[in-house]
Amino acid sequence: GQQLNQSPQSMFIQEGEDVSMNCTSSSIFNTWLWYKQDPGEGPVLLIALYKAGELTSNGRLTAQFGITRKDSFLNISASIPSDVGIYFCAGAGGTSYGKLTFGQGTILTVHP
Amino acid sequence: EPEVTQTPSHQVTQMGQEVILRCVPISNHLYFYWYRQILGQKVEFLVSFYNNEISEKSEIFDDQFSVERPDGSNFTLKIRSTKLEDSAMYFCASSLGGWDSPLHFGNGTRLTVT
Repeated sequence: GQQLNQSPQSMFIQEGEDVSMNCTSSSIFNTWLWYKQDPGEGPVLLIALYKAGELTSNGRLTAQFGITRKDSFLNISASIPSDVGIYFCAGAGGTSYGKLTFGQGTILTVHP
Repeated sequence: EPEVTQTPSHQVTQMGQEVILRCVPISNHLYFYWYRQILGQKVEFLVSFYNNEISEKSEIFDDQFSVERPDGSNFTLKIRSTKLEDSAMYFCASSLGGWDSPLHFGNGTRLTVT
């Protein structure tokens, strides 16, 4: 099956710092999604990417769909304490747009 | 903003018992999904459902699992005879369908099998 490698596994940063995380795959994806999960809750959609090369922003978040369709990154600028959580990339490929393959997640801790 | 709702938030059951997890997808969505997340692991696809039938399922979704849309609003996941390894968070999701329609997830049901 398709696999996503997400890195880093965890990050400890100071409030105000920028953060970058990425996902790579050996397979091509047609859609890349970035979700955030808070403890005890479901994944919340942050950014959706649909075209190779696409760069999309959502407030302090910016994500890009790699030109090869095998990778994506998420940047968070000027981090704040409420950015704490687990960030997951997810991709959909083949003929199954609803069958997402998730990365392992990046645990983000922000120190005030 | 419309959201996917799931009940119960936590279900404890004994091994071998049947459980039904319930979901109310976003009202105008057409595609429904179940995913699960074992503690500390990544989210995994179980099944997708469209037009009152399963459109795709993973290897995890064996004969012990079934899904149903019993009425116009609910979407359920049944586990016929639970095993210890079924303990996980189960997430329901829905979408309009199509490559440009992202999945929206509920807050999950934590299933604990003892």
